[in-house]
Amino acid sequence: KAGVTQTPRYLIKTRGQQVTLSCSPISGHRSVSWYQQTPGQGLQFLFEYFSETQRNKGNFPGRFSGRQFSNSRSEMNVSTLELGDSALYLCASSKEPGQGAPDTQYFGPGTRLTVL
Amino acid sequence: DQQVKQNSPSLSVQEGRISILNCDYTNSMFDYFLWYKKYPAEGPTFLISISSIKDKNEDGRFTVFLNKSAKHLSLHIVPSQPGDSAVYFCAAKGGTGGFKTIFGAGTRLFVKA
Repeated sequence: KAGVTQTPRYLIKTRGQQVTLSCSPISGHRSVSWYQQTPGQGLQFLFEYFSETQRNKGNFPGRFSGRQFSNSRSEMNVSTLELGDSALYLCASSKEPGQGAPDTQYFGPGTRLTVL
Repeated sequence: DQQVKQNSPSLSVQEGRISILNCDYTNSMFDYFLWYKKYPAEGPTFLISISSIKDKNEDGRFTVFLNKSAKHLSLHIVPSQPGDSAVYFCAAKGGTGGFKTIFGAGTRLFVKA
């Protein structure tokens, strides 16, 4: 079956602009998580959605927001972009929101965002 | 507050030898620990996991050891192969973090032929 897809793969924006990234999970997966990856910082958890509800949120400013649609597709939005927002944004899907044994997260290839 | 730490940013190993990647954590309430592997231009892929009630889990060439008293886990790859060259992320979930998965900063493994 098809894996997690993220669009666009690459994006260049300027400071102050806003951006919307999209993630389509694996068919049948209802949980979608977003991560920011920067050099030396690993994967920083942004938020997790399940059944259109945000269940967890990381320590990011309110400029970072997200949502999930009824078909489990998810979008994340970053407003008023700053230079430090340049990163690889990864989306991961899983069947259930991590109950019991770790439900494997399947990652997309990421969206590389560059803020100039 | 980095709850999961990978203190070695890189590791170089000869093909055929053992690779040992280390990870420390601070939250004693974590239920599960996972290792992910990431190649350039690809998302991380799940490698192996271990429950907090176990101290070892093995899958082929990959073995994860958990030392709860030391809040330390390690991933052993034996024998190492050039295709294992990638960034390895240690991750943990559970406890007060709920369903969140907390990742370490990653260790880049180079396996030399």
